[in-house]
Amino acid sequence: SAVISQKPSRDICQRGTSLTIQCQVDSQVTMMFWYRQQPGQSLTLIATANQGSEATYESGFVIDKFPISRPNLTFSTLTVSNMSPEDSSIYLCSVADRNTEAFFGQGTRLTVV
Amino acid sequence: AQSVTQPDIHITVSEGASLELRCNYSYGATPYLFWYVQSPGQGLQLLLKYFSGDTLVQGIKGFEAEFKRSQSSFNLRKPSVHWSDAAEYFCAVGPHQGGKLIFGQGTELSVKP
Repeated sequence: SAVISQKPSRDICQRGTSLTIQCQVDSQVTMMFWYRQQPGQSLTLIATANQGSEATYESGFVIDKFPISRPNLTFSTLTVSNMSPEDSSIYLCSVADRNTEAFFGQGTRLTVV
Repeated sequence: AQSVTQPDIHITVSEGASLELRCNYSYGATPYLFWYVQSPGQGLQLLLKYFSGDTLVQGIKGFEAEFKRSQSSFNLRKPSVHWSDAAEYFCAVGPHQGGKLIFGQGTELSVKP
């Protein structure tokens, strides 16, 4: 199974600022995803991070708000831009290959004040 | 539309009692089905998965799930619940093992002594 390191584990940020979350995997993986889990809610897919190209965003999520990078097969970042209190959520990185199930990081608990 | 429904938001069972968590899905293609568990402050851990074959699948921690195509259901069961099973349980569906997942709303399990 893949070991995923996600940083930071939590943060409290001022509205209007941006936070970049890092996801590091201990092995090369084909697919990396970013999910959002709003308080008391389920997980919603934000985007698929594509290595060397622009991420693929789900409906309701845009690159200007959630820019994503994936420079190689073991690392990705998600930035939450121009934050508002509504962005307070847990953000989770997930990795998978076509023939393995998805593994999840511990998540980043973000509070925007 | 593709979706996963977990009708029970919160369930309380006594330690040692049996447990069944319900999951219904709507998915256009052949579904790959998963149950994940999320303990407080933790990431998601895979309990079990179903792709094909025997419709009763065994997972970790004594959990099992039964796939019923006619009912579009994938209910999770455990014969005897332990206090350490208290957590949030998510049912999810995807196009293959490593694909992006659609999650249900989650069921919070409380275990009383």
